[in-house]
Amino acid sequence: GAVVSQHPSRVICKSGTSVKIECRSLDFQATTMFWYRQFPKQSLMLMATSNEGSKATYEQGVEKDKFLINHASLTLSTLTVTSAHPEDSSFYICSAPLLGSGGSYGYTFGSGTRLTVV
Amino acid sequence: ELKVEQNPLFLSMQEGKNYTIYCNYSTTSDRLYWYRQDPGKSLESLFVLLSNGAVKQEGRLMASLDTKARLSTLHITAAVHDLSATYFCAVGSFAGTASKLTFGTGTRLQVTL
Repeated sequence: GAVVSQHPSRVICKSGTSVKIECRSLDFQATTMFWYRQFPKQSLMLMATSNEGSKATYEQGVEKDKFLINHASLTLSTLTVTSAHPEDSSFYICSAPLLGSGGSYGYTFGSGTRLTVV
Repeated sequence: ELKVEQNPLFLSMQEGKNYTIYCNYSTTSDRLYWYRQDPGKSLESLFVLLSNGAVKQEGRLMASLDTKARLSTLHITAAVHDLSATYFCAVGSFAGTASKLTFGTGTRLQVTL
């Protein structure tokens, strides 16, 4: 089945540095990638939607200059957390929509990245 | 703004018992998803419900959708410890090229021996 490979799975960085998270679609082309953030014991919150070759669409309240999204190819979308601070520590998950038989949609999710900012 | 609520938020149940998790959403949608998440892991797809009255079953889990009531249920039959996890429903809403998902609050299920 369609798989999204997400790396790294865990990262610890110092406050003020930047961290890049990659999501690669394997065996399919992902024209769209959704990026979610999940705080402990909470639900997933959509941060932004990236589309290949165009600017990402950010949800209300998400700082686009802080969370840089690039979707330069049909198989790679990246999220860069710039000037990270401890409050950015969270679980980040990417997800690509899939077109199933009869036009139905499913989604495949990356394995997630646990970011800890110290 | 689409809101998705689940209840209960936490459920502790004994093995062998039955229970239902409820998912209510605030605006019209014809696609409803259920996911399972184990601690520290990403999401595992359980069910996709695409029409009013849809019912799907897999093992001890059964999901249904009532689009008129904007309600989906996830029924657990004869729970076993392996079902302990957090369960999320999610509602799709079209966002340009694909439907984006709005997730429910999640239900943390603990099945005790």
